[in-house]
Amino acid sequence: RKEVEQDPGPFNVPEGATVAFNCTYSNSASQSFFWYRQDCRKEPKLLMSVYSSGNEDGRFTAQLNRASQYISLLIRDSKLSDSATYLCVVTHMNTGFQKLVFGTGTRLLVSP
Amino acid sequence: EPEVTQTPSHQVTQMGQEVILRCVPISNHLYFYWYRQILGQKVEFLVSFYNNEISEKSEIFDDQFSVERPDGSNFTLKIRSTKLEDSAMYFCASSRVSVYEQYFGPGTRLTVT
Repeated sequence: RKEVEQDPGPFNVPEGATVAFNCTYSNSASQSFFWYRQDCRKEPKLLMSVYSSGNEDGRFTAQLNRASQYISLLIRDSKLSDSATYLCVVTHMNTGFQKLVFGTGTRLLVSP
Repeated sequence: EPEVTQTPSHQVTQMGQEVILRCVPISNHLYFYWYRQILGQKVEFLVSFYNNEISEKSEIFDDQFSVERPDGSNFTLKIRSTKLEDSAMYFCASSRVSVYEQYFGPGTRLTVT
């Protein structure tokens, strides 16, 4: 089983739509959770951290369910510039040092 | 806004050659990382580095790989004898403390021919 699983998509949505991505992780000892976005052939860029209580940053809302080992990202009022691959990331801290474990990403295409 | 920088942006090398990929982490960050991404695949952890020592490495990071912080600003990844399967995007990342978010550089695209 993959450590972090995501639907690869692509999700094709019109501008203004609301879209949701889901992610599951297998290691119950995972400690921190993030969403990164990656544009084609570019570096991953931190979009937001994900907290147990859920958190919002403008049009983006992230949720974490530790019991189900499930993370979600909701994007409201999609913009053309939101077109990218969204990476679900969890951290392991086996040795006291954090390493990021990435999902394969979900591709989003926002069309006019 | 401070950022991680990497050089070169693209490196082409022949199989068996040594390459050194360079990174300048964000200046007040103490933890440094290398990741790689083979085209079309996920980003994979290679190694983490703190206090001039490797703190963790993955099974990918074999004896062909080494990391160094030769001075107060640079952080390098050396591949001693490149193989075709080393062709990938290599990303450097840094974080202020181990539990904080990691920030990535723009990457070096390594092509081994």
